[in-house]
Amino acid sequence: EPEVTQTPSHQVTQMGQEVILRCVPISNHLYFYWYRQILGQKVEFLVSFYNNEISEKSEIFDDQFSVERPDGSNFTLKIRSTKLEDSAMYFCASRETPWSQPQHFGDGTRLSIL
Amino acid sequence: GESVGLHLPTLSVQEGDNSIINCAYSNSASDYFIWYKQESGKGPQFIIDIRSNMDKRQGQRVTVLLNKTVKHLSLQIAATQPGDSAVYFCAENRRQAGTALIFGKGTTLSVSS
Repeated sequence: EPEVTQTPSHQVTQMGQEVILRCVPISNHLYFYWYRQILGQKVEFLVSFYNNEISEKSEIFDDQFSVERPDGSNFTLKIRSTKLEDSAMYFCASRETPWSQPQHFGDGTRLSIL
Repeated sequence: GESVGLHLPTLSVQEGDNSIINCAYSNSASDYFIWYKQESGKGPQFIIDIRSNMDKRQGQRVTVLLNKTVKHLSLQIAATQPGDSAVYFCAENRRQAGTALIFGKGTTLSVSS
């Protein structure tokens, strides 16, 4: 069964450094998402991306965050200057069309900010 | 079997029992609801979903019930097995195409042999 894949599985970064989290959505999917999950809490929406532009974003997704689809397969989340509170699991998800269900999730990247 | 009237963060059951996990959703505009299972170190894994024009949907060993009057969703797992131990999240989706999922608080299900 096709999967959403994310790399790396664990990223350790010094506070203030830039970090890029990578995702390869399912190949025929067109709609992409980033969510995050702080340890022990619920999954929170960050941003959605469709047709090469941001479709929707949450309050969490401030100027420090950006997303990009640099080629036909990758979807990235960049945090420009990481803060301690950015430590979380970051999940990428995709869906085939804006109307299809469900969203399929990757296994996440654990981001640890020191 | 065990049942949970209100959302509880943890639920412990014996193998073979039936489990019921409850969830309250927030948005009357939501028309799609989904249960995900999250095992340790993994991402949310789809279990079962239901649209707002239905009250009940059954899968293999799992049933989802939707009560729109009180904005309540439940997941029933029949004959719970140790492999069912995980965190279970409900999520809702608004009617507009492409909108993000809104997740509820998770329930940690522990199944003992």
